[in-house]
This record gives sequence, structure tokens and C-alpha cells, in this order.
Amino acid sequence: EVQLVESGGGAVRPGGSLRLSCAASGFTFDDYGMNWVRQAPGKGLEWVSGIKWNGDRADYADSVKGRFTISRDNSKNSLYLQMNSLRAEDTALYYCARSHSSGWLDYFDYWGQGTRVTVSS
Amino acid sequence: DIQMTQSPSSLSASAGDRVTITCRASQSISGYLNWYQQKPGKAPNLLIYASSSLQSGVSSRFSGSGSGTDFALTISSLQPEDFATYFCQQTYSSPLTFGGGTKVEIE
Repeated sequence: EVQLVESGGGAVRPGGSLRLSCAASGFTFDDYGMNWVRQAPGKGLEWVSGIKWNGDRADYADSVKGRFTISRDNSKNSLYLQMNSLRAEDTALYYCARSHSSGWLDYFDYWGQGTRVTVSS
Repeated sequence: DIQMTQSPSSLSASAGDRVTITCRASQSISGYLNWYQQKPGKAPNLLIYASSSLQSGVSSRFSGSGSGTDFALTISSLQPEDFATYFCQQTYSSPLTFGGGTKVEIE
């Protein structure tokens, strides 16, 4: 059974940093591209970042470019999101999602349950 | 970036109704359009991929159509478990983008 379990969320002050993790199981992790998607309270879905199966290419939403870094450790079946210079508008539930293929440009067939990030002074 | 516009943003319907939600892309995305269902407090769930392909395990009352810039999700006969929010997503080019969502409520 495919499982994606996010962790690392919490409350942080504006300008602070957090590192989110997503532990994957039930599939061959390094066969798939991976993504982070967020959802602000009461709002829609926003794609944040995606990474290729081997980690050598990634992309970001304009809203986080230069502040967030996606990475993966295939030996640990884990995906990460390093979030720096956090802003109030980054407050959201952050989901880890698997792309159906080796890149991130594909539909998301599995999602985690999310980890909550709150940025507030 | 490709903008995705869903309509309506919300609708009220009764069980048994046929419901159609539309999604328009700001430029052609060929058939790279997916639909997700999200229930309160839950992660999104894939319904339709590549415009019209039904994800395994999803009821056949869900169907998708369209290509280029205009797409639709149709629920042939609304069931109580279908009351949820629906999102379209383009995977034609990065950055990936979602529509704003359509909340389907009980009339």
C-alpha cells in the first residue's frame, strides 16, 4: 500500500525557517517524481514545487521561488521542503503528492494527509 | 504561467441530478487536464486524468471531456458521497496550476 506521511510542520514567526519531510513507502520511491502542494485555510490548491525522480531537476511556483528548496533522498525514501524567509501568506496545509511518472509533470495519483504550517508573529 | 478558470465556483444540486463543472485554460494544454475531488478534512483524490481517463477505483458516473482550452467534468447522477469540492489541474507545463475549485453542495 502506497503511503506518504508528512511531518515537520508547526508555528513559526515571519522570516523564520522550517523543513518539511515526507516519508514514502509501499512503492519504489526513485521511480517517481514528487511534489509539494499547499492549501491555505479555506482556499484552493496551490502547487508549490516538484522534483524529478533522481533529484537533478526541480521547479517552483513563483510565490516561493528563491525561498523554498525541494530535495529528496532516495536512499531514505524521503522528500523534503526547506522553507526559508517564511511569510504570513505561506500559512497552509502542505501536502506531499506523487506524480504518476518519473518527472513532476504528471497527474498526482497519491497524496499524504498533510502537515500544517502557521506563520504568525 | 497557465491560468485555470473553473466555473461555477459553487453549485447546489440534489441527489440524482446530472452535474457539469467546466475548466478553461488560458492557453492550449492539449489533453493534459486532471480532476480531483476533495472532501472536508481530507486530501484530494484523483478522479480523471488526461482529460477523460477514469482513475482506477473511481465510479463510472464520473466522466471527463475536452481538449485544448475547454474541459468538463460530469457527474451523471449525483450521489450523497459526491458532495465535495472539485479541482482541475493542468500538467502541460510547469509551473503546474490548479483551478480555483467548485464546491458541490446539497440543495
